[in-house]
Amino acid sequence: NAGVTQTPKFRVLKTGQSMTLLCAQDMNHEYMYWYRQDPGMGLRLIHYSVGEGTTAKGEVPDGYNVSRLKKQNFLLGLESAAPSQTSVYFCASSYGTSILETQYFGPGTRLLVL
Amino acid sequence: GENVEQHPSTLSVQEGDSAVIKCTYSDSASNYFPWYKQELGKRPQLIIDIRSNVGEKKDQRIAVTLNKTAKHFSLHITETQPEDSAVYFCAAGSNYQLIWGAGTKLIIKP
Repeated sequence: NAGVTQTPKFRVLKTGQSMTLLCAQDMNHEYMYWYRQDPGMGLRLIHYSVGEGTTAKGEVPDGYNVSRLKKQNFLLGLESAAPSQTSVYFCASSYGTSILETQYFGPGTRLLVL
Repeated sequence: GENVEQHPSTLSVQEGDSAVIKCTYSDSASNYFPWYKQELGKRPQLIIDIRSNVGEKKDQRIAVTLNKTAKHFSLHITETQPEDSAVYFCAAGSNYQLIWGAGTKLIIKP
């Protein structure tokens, strides 16, 4: 079991470039989440999904899009990167029918936007 | 909007002493309160959680207490060890929303 994996581990972008972060889980979890972590601000939810084909906005969704075409994958897209999107991005997944369950996190992706 | 305040932002304790981290939340509908530990450069991992129908929960050296009336909950670590050094996050959840605190950096002094 690999658990939750993220690709890539690190990326540098120029302002205006686009990219996609991939999250994959092999635990057959229904719920998946994308967070960003900035110093002194904890974890902030960007988007989440309660099942294949469904997505919803979190606390800070602007500038990001997501897709969940397959149950095991959750993609986070940045259409036009901005320096304010420099952050560490964590994906997580949880089993069950509620957000109020243990979340299992991926190793994170460090993104630097110049 | 809803928020979770976590204090202190940094906590330094002598090895073997106890550490207490406190969180307050604003959404009275919150009924799930997890604590996550994040070691330097690693991913957050759940260490303990509590639901609103329970006032206290223990797991070896770790305990969490919840006061729903006052809307605050606390993490207690006894007999601290070097491996307890990390950033600890609290969160408060209701329905589809889980709001996170800003984190507490716990430093264990030898």
